[in-house]
Amino acid sequence: QKEVEQNSGPLSVPEGAIASLNCTYSDRGSQSFFWYRQYSGKSPELIMFIYSNGDKEDGRFTAQLNKASQYVSLLIRDSQPSDSATYLCAVNSLDYKLSFGAGTTVTVRA
Amino acid sequence: GAVVSQHPSRVICKSGTSVKIECRSLDFQATTMFWYRQFPKQSLMLMATSNEGSKATYEQGVEKDKFLINHASLTLSTLTVTSAHPEDSSFYICSARDGAGYDEKLFFGSGTQLSVL
Repeated sequence: QKEVEQNSGPLSVPEGAIASLNCTYSDRGSQSFFWYRQYSGKSPELIMFIYSNGDKEDGRFTAQLNKASQYVSLLIRDSQPSDSATYLCAVNSLDYKLSFGAGTTVTVRA
Repeated sequence: GAVVSQHPSRVICKSGTSVKIECRSLDFQATTMFWYRQFPKQSLMLMATSNEGSKATYEQGVEKDKFLINHASLTLSTLTVTSAHPEDSSFYICSARDGAGYDEKLFFGSGTQLSVL
């Protein structure tokens, strides 16, 4: 069984701070890793993907992957109120059935 | 990113009726689409994999006779909830993959909120 674990939160950070989200996965055969942002009542929106160990930066977002530890994280720098949402970690294995974590709710306080 | 269009965005229906939801890939061809269901404050649950020109593959516990999937073209998949009941009320989301190999990503439609009275 493929499992993806996330802290459910809520994670509350002040505006301008760094929000750090963590995700662990159980399937060592996982190939690709994704972070989706989901606003309440809306469908998920892809914000980051990573498949190599190390860091990947895109604007205010940085994804970090450590396959040996089966760990992937997302950092949101200079957090804005518009970043308040639920962030879903998704892990893809060879059959491309994404397994999703339960999501971490982030609240950015103005 | 790739655009996936889903209609309708919201449906309210009486118990016992059938509801059809459409999912279209607008700027790419999708041989495979996925249908998810999401209950409030829960994560996405994969219901089935829709394959163009062949039968859908359903996840364990999902009734194929209740959730009919048709993928008649490379840009359109439909999900029909037959004889809907209140327990079928949920947020249904389709997705399609674009790209190849490590560049392959999953993009989601806007979702359909189904409320069965």
